[in-house]
Amino acid sequence: GAGVSQTPSNKVTEKGKYVELRCDPISGHTALYWYRQSLGQGPEFLIYFQGTGAADDSGLPNDRFFAVRPEGSVSTLKIQRTERGDSAVYLCASSLTGNGNTIYFGEGSWLTVV
Amino acid sequence: GNSVTQMEGPVTLSEEAFLTINCTYTATGYPSLFWYVQYPGEGLQLLLKATKADDKGSNKGFEATYRKETTSFHLEKGSVQVSDSAVYFCALIEGAQKLVFGQGTRLTINP
Repeated sequence: GAGVSQTPSNKVTEKGKYVELRCDPISGHTALYWYRQSLGQGPEFLIYFQGTGAADDSGLPNDRFFAVRPEGSVSTLKIQRTERGDSAVYLCASSLTGNGNTIYFGEGSWLTVV
Repeated sequence: GNSVTQMEGPVTLSEEAFLTINCTYTATGYPSLFWYVQYPGEGLQLLLKATKADDKGSNKGFEATYRKETTSFHLEKGSVQVSDSAVYFCALIEGAQKLVFGQGTRLTINP
């Protein structure tokens, strides 16, 4: 498709397990973002990639969270030793160059930690 | 830090009613302001934006004016439709790329 694609759309995992969430941005978009949206709240910024490098990771809550974008396209958000408080919708977004262009969001990955 | 505060929801209106969803912000300088919308089962979509004071963003009959005097960016529509039912998020951009969102306002339009 032409939009931002995220997989899985839903993930249920046990506390303490490791989780990977994948994002496929719009083709040609160099800027990629991860946000987290808890129930009843607005999205909160996690990390921003420009190409392969993380230009701003100030929103990652702690060192259990890590994200990569090795080839400057697909990105993976990795969460180690998941906790119940990690349950949220994880949103990926992309924009053409990351310089004031419109930011397009995917539908999100719902993560539930039980 | 920068923040956005939105009118609490949920908001329920009848079709053809006038809509206002209030949004105020706290920011250093004059960031660009946005309204995003999330329809049921879909991702966040940009509805409209304004990049400087007194700018008016508009799209699909919705409007919002960037008011630096009152640090506000209220969303309005003159006549809502059932298809406008969604969650609406006000946001500002911090630095070059970081969106800061309000908590969202759920809007339901009854026929």
